[in-house]
Formats: sequence, structure tokens, C-alpha cells
Amino acid sequence: DIQMTQSPSTLSASVGDRVTITCRASQSISTWLAWYQQKPGKAPKLLIYKASNLESGVPSRFSGSGSGTEFTLTISRLQPDDFAIYYCQQYSDYPTFGPGTVVDI
Amino acid sequence: QVQLQQWGAGLLKPSETLSLTCGVYGGSFSGYYWSWIRQPPGKGLEWIAEINDRGSTNYNPSLKSRVIISVDTSKNQFSLKVTSVTAADTAVYYCARGPLSYGYNLFDYWGQGALVTVSS
Repeated sequence: DIQMTQSPSTLSASVGDRVTITCRASQSISTWLAWYQQKPGKAPKLLIYKASNLESGVPSRFSGSGSGTEFTLTISRLQPDDFAIYYCQQYSDYPTFGPGTVVDI
Repeated sequence: QVQLQQWGAGLLKPSETLSLTCGVYGGSFSGYYWSWIRQPPGKGLEWIAEINDRGSTNYNPSLKSRVIISVDTSKNQFSLKVTSVTAADTAVYYCARGPLSYGYNLFDYWGQGALVTVSS
């Protein structure tokens, strides 16, 4: 299976900060990567698909980049609603998720 | 607006069979893959299996021997069974839609989640 790792595991930030989360795959997945945001007690919400495509309705402060084995999710100006856990997920092979990055204050 | 609503037993004893169903409302059922994903309390996400409207399936190899996924296109529903459960199967179980017409998907619509606890 394809293993996904994320760094950092926890990120402390403030409103207005630029935040970057890195996701790495154990083998090349081309651009078959999605990013999700999850808040406590809720299902994950799709943010980005195919590494850099913004899902409909997602604010433009979210962006994704990368290909092969290394990917990033960037939040350009952190808003109060963005404090959450972020997961990457590959779908080049049977789906696997990264362990998550907690973005907190 | 697509909505996924799931239901099933929430408390099981070890060795019993977990059974969950997900209904799809407000959108097309055909042309998509439908998945089950689980999340143990305080932990990450694990994809379990997927099925399309024609009954084509894919399974997580680590769970394949204990998992059955099925579909009822007449009701726009799909179901999950996990046999011989243990405490390690305790998790919130989500159903989700995969928007790609081929297998191994991402997930754009999710159910509300259902906590299944396995305890003697």
C-alpha cells in the first residue's frame, strides 16, 4: 500500500498567518491527491482534488501544489473558521490517508 | 443537493457482525463509486471498501477477509458488513461518495458518521 505522511503533526498559528502543510507519499502518485478539513464531531470536507484543484465553494485562500511524492496545502491568511485537522489522501491506488495535521491557536 | 444518511447498530459484542446502511438522496446514484471509511476515536481515517451501481467492488486488503459491501440500486442504498468484530473495529463509520467513475476515489459527499462500539 502507499503510505502517506504529513508534517507538522501540530501547527500553532494566529489569525492572518500564512500556513503550509506538507504531505509525502511513499511512492509516486502523480497528482492523485486530495486534501480534507475535519472539525470535531463532523465528517471531513473536501478542499482540494488532483493536488491543486479547488473544490467548488471552498475559499480561495486554500491552495494546493505538488506532484509525484511531495505535496503542500497552503492557507494564505488563516481565518478563525480554519482551525481544524487537515488530512491528505492519495487515490492512485486503494485510498490511504495521512495521519493529519492539527492547526490550532 | 446530495445527502448521505447512514444507520445501523451502534453497540456490538466481540465476534458479532457489524451492519450499516447508507441511503443516497437528492442526486444520481449511478455513475459513482460509494465508499465506507472509518475513524477510530481520536485517530485517523481508514478506507474500507467501495462499490458502484453495477456492483463492482474494491476492498482495503487489510480488511478484505472480513468485509462485505453491497448495493441496492432500487433504493439508492449501499451497505457494509464486517464480520467477527473486535475492539479494534470500534470507530466512527462514514459512508461517502467517490465522484470518479472508476475505482480508487476521493470523496466529495459524506454521511454524518455513526459510532460503532465493540465491547463485551
